[in-house]
Amino acid sequence: EPEVTQTPSHQVTQMGQEVILRCVPISNHLYFYWYRQILGQKVEFLVSFYNNEISEKSEIFDDQFSVERPDGSNFTLKIRSTKLEDSAMYFCASSGRLAGGVKNIQYFGAGTRLSVL
Amino acid sequence: EDKVVQSPLSLVVHEGDTVTLNCSYEVTNFRSLLWYKQEKKAPTFLFMLTSSGIEKKSGRLSSILDKKELFSILNITATQTGDSAIYLCAVEALGGNQFYFGTGTSLTVIP
Repeated sequence: EPEVTQTPSHQVTQMGQEVILRCVPISNHLYFYWYRQILGQKVEFLVSFYNNEISEKSEIFDDQFSVERPDGSNFTLKIRSTKLEDSAMYFCASSGRLAGGVKNIQYFGAGTRLSVL
Repeated sequence: EDKVVQSPLSLVVHEGDTVTLNCSYEVTNFRSLLWYKQEKKAPTFLFMLTSSGIEKKSGRLSSILDKKELFSILNITATQTGDSAIYLCAVEALGGNQFYFGTGTSLTVIP
């Protein structure tokens, strides 16, 4: 069964450093998402991406964050100048489109645990 | 402010019991409501609901949406220990590419 792949599974970084979280969505999917889940808290939407541009973003997704689809298969989340409070599980998700233009369900990757020290 | 509220926050039941999980929402331009099961890491999809009153079933799980009263329920009958997980409710809104998650209901099924 096709799946969304995220790497690395765990990323440890020093405060102030930049990190890039990588995701390989399901190959024929058209919509891509990043979510964040701080330990013990709810899943929070960060950003959605369609047709090579951001389609929606939350108030969390400020100038510290950026997304890119550099090569048609990878979908990356870059976090600049990381802060302690960026420590969280980051999930990537993708969805396709059914006949008639209806967006399909989102499939989630296993997540990248980011620890900022 | 758009929001999704789930209740109860946690629930402990014995195997064989039936549980009902609740999700209410106040979201502008509602598009769909989704239920996910989160065990160790990634949420896995259970149901997508777009129309009121139409029950969706998958084995012992079922769900229904009420767009007038702005809520959904997820039922699990004859619970098993493998049902222990956090159940997440999410609402798709706005342009159709933004999703709001509830805090989840943590379900523990005791043998």
